[in-house]
Amino acid sequence: SQTIHQWPATLVQPVGSPLSLECTVEGTSNPNLYWYRQAAGRGLQLLFYSVGIGQISSEVPQNLSASRPQDRQFILSSKKLLLSDSGFYLCACHSRTNTGELFFGEGSRLTVL
Amino acid sequence: AQKITQTQPGMFVQEKEAVTLDCTYDTSDPSYGLFWYKQPSSGEMIFLIYQGSYDQQNATEGRYSLNFQKARKSANLVISASQLGDSAMYFCALEGPSGGSNYKLTFGKGTLLTVNP
Repeated sequence: SQTIHQWPATLVQPVGSPLSLECTVEGTSNPNLYWYRQAAGRGLQLLFYSVGIGQISSEVPQNLSASRPQDRQFILSSKKLLLSDSGFYLCACHSRTNTGELFFGEGSRLTVL
Repeated sequence: AQKITQTQPGMFVQEKEAVTLDCTYDTSDPSYGLFWYKQPSSGEMIFLIYQGSYDQQNATEGRYSLNFQKARKSANLVISASQLGDSAMYFCALEGPSGGSNYKLTFGKGTLLTVNP
């Protein structure tokens, strides 16, 4: 079965500092991978998705970037964090089940001060 | 463009009663799927139920059922016999575009359900 690991689980960073959130997937190969952000009390906003190594699609213009250096590794980065980057970041993988739902990691909570 | 609307920011229900969470959607895709997820306070996203646009019957999964009205573009979640553990945020999501590798889900803003003892 698929498993998604995200780290760190919680992060507090000053404005202007860099960011790196990592996501790794087990139990599947060549998955579609996704980064979503959830602002406090809000829905999920799709930030990036990737259909393969080195292939990144950005959904919204922003201060963040994503990379996929390996088949089952997805990284979310920023060179200089903004206050508005605070939120709950969720990595997801497209399930291989019949229903094709997205399978989510545990999330990374980022607070920018 | 895909659009999902959840008009109920919060809902309250008494334990053991049924509750309906509303969801309407808009898509130009002839083939699509609708999902419901539960997000407890811990933050994890738990997949609950799926409805395909061509499914003849409404989806059911234990105490969860989906009231799918295609002509009205609504896909309401019905939770029967509510339990205290059902208190959580609930999200409706629409898949699209159909086919190809650019598969993604668009989420609504969610409904916070509180089950009272």
